[in-house]
Amino acid sequence: EVQLVQSGAEVKKPGESLKISCKGSGYRFTRYWIGWVRQMPGKGLEFMGIIYPGDSDTRYSPSFQGQITISVDNSINTAYLQWSSLKASDTAMYYCAISTGVNQPAGDYWGQGTLVTVSS
Amino acid sequence: SYELTQPPSVSVSPGQTARITCSGDALPKQYAYWYQQKPGQAPVLVIYKGSERSSGIPERFSGSSSGTTVTLTISGVQAEDEADYYCQSADSISSWVFGGGTKLTVL
Repeated sequence: EVQLVQSGAEVKKPGESLKISCKGSGYRFTRYWIGWVRQMPGKGLEFMGIIYPGDSDTRYSPSFQGQITISVDNSINTAYLQWSSLKASDTAMYYCAISTGVNQPAGDYWGQGTLVTVSS
Repeated sequence: SYELTQPPSVSVSPGQTARITCSGDALPKQYAYWYQQKPGQAPVLVIYKGSERSSGIPERFSGSSSGTTVTLTISGVQAEDEADYYCQSADSISSWVFGGGTKLTVL
């Protein structure tokens, strides 16, 4: 069974760094693209970026380029989303999702989400 | 980049048919995907490649397209279908675009 399990909720102060994780199981981790999606409180879904664990090819949405870093550690089947300096506006739920279909740029399996709260 | 436009809300009575539209100039050239998101839960892909139902999704969910508009149709709406629905498309694996979402209310 394909599963994506994300790390737990975080409460941080503005200016702090953060790295959240998404661990895949039940499939060959290096085979499928892993994307990250933001959902701000009461708002819709926003695509942040995506990585292919097979070769670490990483692509960012223009809206998030330079603001985040996406990476993977294939030895532990885990993808990461990180910030070097958080802002209050980074407060949101963050989801990872994988795209398993051929030529299918969409998330057919999702993690449960990680709630990030940034407040002084 | 391009935009996908959805109505903010749709309301139907149980047993009726709900139609949620999504409009965008790129839709004639790209597949649409539909997600259902219930409060406090992650999105679930219900329709992929425009009209294919994901595994485990009831037959009352269907997808269609006409020109620059795609439609998610829920026939015989049930109370459990009350949720937010998002359309999504992409011109490459790395350029997912989501619609703003539609809140489906079952009266």
